[in-house]
Amino acid sequence: DTGVSQDPRHKITKRGQNVTFRCDPISEHNRLYWYRQTLGQGPEFLTYFQNEAQLEKSRLLSDRFSAERPKGSFSTLEIQRTEQGDSAMYLCASRDDRESYEQYFGPGTRLTVT
Amino acid sequence: RKEVEQDPGPFNVPEGATVAFNCTYSNSASQSFFWYRQDCRKEPKLLMSVYSSGNEDGRFTAQLNRASQYISLLIRDSKLSDSATYLCVVNLNDMRFGAGTRLTVKP
Repeated sequence: DTGVSQDPRHKITKRGQNVTFRCDPISEHNRLYWYRQTLGQGPEFLTYFQNEAQLEKSRLLSDRFSAERPKGSFSTLEIQRTEQGDSAMYLCASRDDRESYEQYFGPGTRLTVT
Repeated sequence: RKEVEQDPGPFNVPEGATVAFNCTYSNSASQSFFWYRQDCRKEPKLLMSVYSSGNEDGRFTAQLNRASQYISLLIRDSKLSDSATYLCVVNLNDMRFGAGTRLTVKP
């Protein structure tokens, strides 16, 4: 499978714990995006990378959230001191900005904070 | 005002019906426009891009009106397999999604 992959697919954690999610984009896709989606809503943009550079961060991304893409390939999204309001599906997408605007999404990581 | 607003839905239609979804966006500098489809508990997938001249892909027709900042999607001869949530997407520097409109096609 050469699509976008995310790990883990599901994560249950207690409030106050830190969690880290990983996204592996389609190889050679230079742009990588993180979104958050809650029930009944569309995906909300969090941040994106062009290669290893983080170019934009949403105001939704509080200080507890950090994302990295150290080698311009896979990316990690860390949430520190999780809160119940962080419970959501975290989606990763990638695209090649030399080819098209189409973003290819991974299956998502569903986070539940208890 | 939300950046991208869609019909709230849900739409429940019989097989063979024609159904139309509308979407408005707030930023006139938006550059590109899309409809994505999202099945229950799945990731969004691109359905079609939307061009100023309008475009058609089989039973699906998308229209863009830049002056009114309005996008539409028309589905003709709807099938059971069209049941999904349809997301209107607007791109400036990044993608902004509407909340989605849920469609259920019934036999």
